[in-house]
Amino acid sequence: AQKITQTQPGMFVQEKEAVTLDCTYDTSDQSYGLFWYKQPSSGEMIFLIYQGSYDEQNATEGRYSLNFQKARKSANLVISASQLGDSAMYFCAMREPYNNNDMRFGAGTRLTVKP
Amino acid sequence: SAVISQKPSRDICQRGTSLTIQCQVDSQVTMMFWYRQQPGQSLTLIATANQGSEATYESGFVIDKFPISRPNLTFSTLTVSNMSPEDSSIYLCSASTGFYGYTFGSGTRLTVV
Repeated sequence: AQKITQTQPGMFVQEKEAVTLDCTYDTSDQSYGLFWYKQPSSGEMIFLIYQGSYDEQNATEGRYSLNFQKARKSANLVISASQLGDSAMYFCAMREPYNNNDMRFGAGTRLTVKP
Repeated sequence: SAVISQKPSRDICQRGTSLTIQCQVDSQVTMMFWYRQQPGQSLTLIATANQGSEATYESGFVIDKFPISRPNLTFSTLTVSNMSPEDSSIYLCSASTGFYGYTFGSGTRLTVV
């Protein structure tokens, strides 16, 4: 069963505006971690932000914030003040420490920032 | 967090041949993982490689096609055997450095002709 769902194959945003990338997840574990990665055309995976299942505050890292709604099992990424360099694929992922502890990824969202 | 050196960064290979991808971590890690990313797709876990034991493969991946070695806590290799054009993908290794720490290599972009 798909554990991570990203329903937006592609998104467009105007430069300097904010954008939200959606992610929902499915787990029966109480302990898990949620991650967002950026993958530019070069193929490398760039870590953006992390949210632990027990964290009460939404995670923030510079222009990135994670809108964590545990009851809804959603972990949306918000990018503020978009820049042209933000154009890339974005992947939501989850780790379950009591289930092999590997990283499971969503299908990804391709973000294009327009000048 | 750990740094992983992965090589080669890219290669173009003839069908029927094999390619071995290497990942070197700058610190000791217990768990390493290998992923495949087919064109336009997400990352799919191939196998988990723990030092001192055989790799654990995900459904759809077999050891004969993707043999993995893990001789010590800082090194692992993945071989893509008897390649066909369908194996053209990006292959990424990763290492777990605690629950929060999860580092990726820079990836190997493989094209099979």
